[in-house]
Amino acid sequence: AQSVTQPDIHITVSEGASLELRCNYSYGATPYLFWYVQSPGQGLQLLLKYFSGDTLVQGIKGFEAEFKRSQSSFNLRKPSVHWSDAAEYFCAVDDRGSTLGRLYFGRGTQLTVWP
Amino acid sequence: DGGITQSPKYLFRKEGQNVTLSCEQNLNHDAMYWYRQDPGQGLRLIYYSQIVNDFQKGDIAEGYSVSREKKESFPLTVTSAQKNPTAFYLCASKESSYNEQFFGPGTRLTVL
Repeated sequence: AQSVTQPDIHITVSEGASLELRCNYSYGATPYLFWYVQSPGQGLQLLLKYFSGDTLVQGIKGFEAEFKRSQSSFNLRKPSVHWSDAAEYFCAVDDRGSTLGRLYFGRGTQLTVWP
Repeated sequence: DGGITQSPKYLFRKEGQNVTLSCEQNLNHDAMYWYRQDPGQGLRLIYYSQIVNDFQKGDIAEGYSVSREKKESFPLTVTSAQKNPTAFYLCASKESSYNEQFFGPGTRLTVL
């Protein structure tokens, strides 16, 4: 089975500071990779996705992520955090081995933004 | 507007009762999914369905049941056999030829 690790349970940054959320996965080939964001009591919204090609992908709300095959990582970054970015962030992997394309999720990173 | 709706938003259940959570999508997606979310545990897959009248168990199917009689609907029943059902439940869907899942707003179930 695939596994996704988000090593940081909670991160706190000041507004305007840069952000990097880490994600590592365990999979034999290159999976499809996703980052989702969740506000309290809400569903998940897709930030960005990687299927193939350029390893640096741009998403919504000024986020980007870089796929590094050698490190089995897909870290999420933002150069300047806004207070509205406070939320929980989930990394997910689609194993591509199943026609159903199920997702495996990390346990999430809670982001707090100080004014 | 296309999207996924879940109802109710909040649901309270007495011990020993079965309850059904609704999930409807008008995206014309083939695949639908049910996840359970508990604090600090991410999302865990309960059941999924690729086509009408077909569904498979996910990682934590015990105590849950589903049906897929229509393409747009995928209701989840939480039975009395589920020992700890208090959680946030999320429904998702996707086109079978793509790999991006779209999520509904969720239902919070509380056992009294």
